[in-house]
Amino acid sequence: KAGVTQTPRYLIKTRGQQVTLSCSPISGHRSVSWYQQTPGQGLQFLFEYFSETQRNKGNFPGRFSGRQFSNSRSEMNVSTLELGDSALYLCASSRGLAGGHTDTQYFGPGTRLTVL
Amino acid sequence: AQSVTQPDIHITVSEGASLELRCNYSYGATPYLFWYVQSPGQGLQLLLKYFSGDTLVQGIKGFEAEFKRSQSSFNLRKPSVHWSDAAEYFCAVGANSGYALNFGKGTSLLVTP
Repeated sequence: KAGVTQTPRYLIKTRGQQVTLSCSPISGHRSVSWYQQTPGQGLQFLFEYFSETQRNKGNFPGRFSGRQFSNSRSEMNVSTLELGDSALYLCASSRGLAGGHTDTQYFGPGTRLTVL
Repeated sequence: AQSVTQPDIHITVSEGASLELRCNYSYGATPYLFWYVQSPGQGLQLLLKYFSGDTLVQGIKGFEAEFKRSQSSFNLRKPSVHWSDAAEYFCAVGANSGYALNFGKGTSLLVTP
């Protein structure tokens, strides 16, 4: 069974630009969550999508957005990039069962975004 | 809000020695607790999780963790560490809603020969 894939793996952008990251979940998984990992703040939850609907959202500004397609693939977009957006962005997939945390989340390798 | 604290930023152990990584949580009810490992350049891999039942949880790679409600702790243990265990370890608690996880800041494990 293929794991969670994220593309691209590395990305360099400049301040003010926008960026789109992609996540393909494990086949059959319908929930995709996104996390930002930085040395200072650690791992922080961005949002979770299930069946093309945002189900939960973390405490990030509106510049961070996402969406999910009918095949469960998800994208996240960051507009008007700031230096502080430099981070490893991880996505995680799960079956999306109503039981929530009893269901295992599988993480992808991440996309390393550098903002210059 | 639910949160976890990992008091140790770095830990160094000799190969073959036992390991204990500390995790303290803050949560009113019975929490969902997790331990993840992250190797350099990799995503997170789930080692084990606890949400009810037996307070001693067995995980992959020979790891175990014990849930102690009285101490609000969920410490990770391994009886004999291998060099390949060198990595970053994260404790996490399930947030109230859905699948969101609140992670600790992590403990970096160095294994010496």
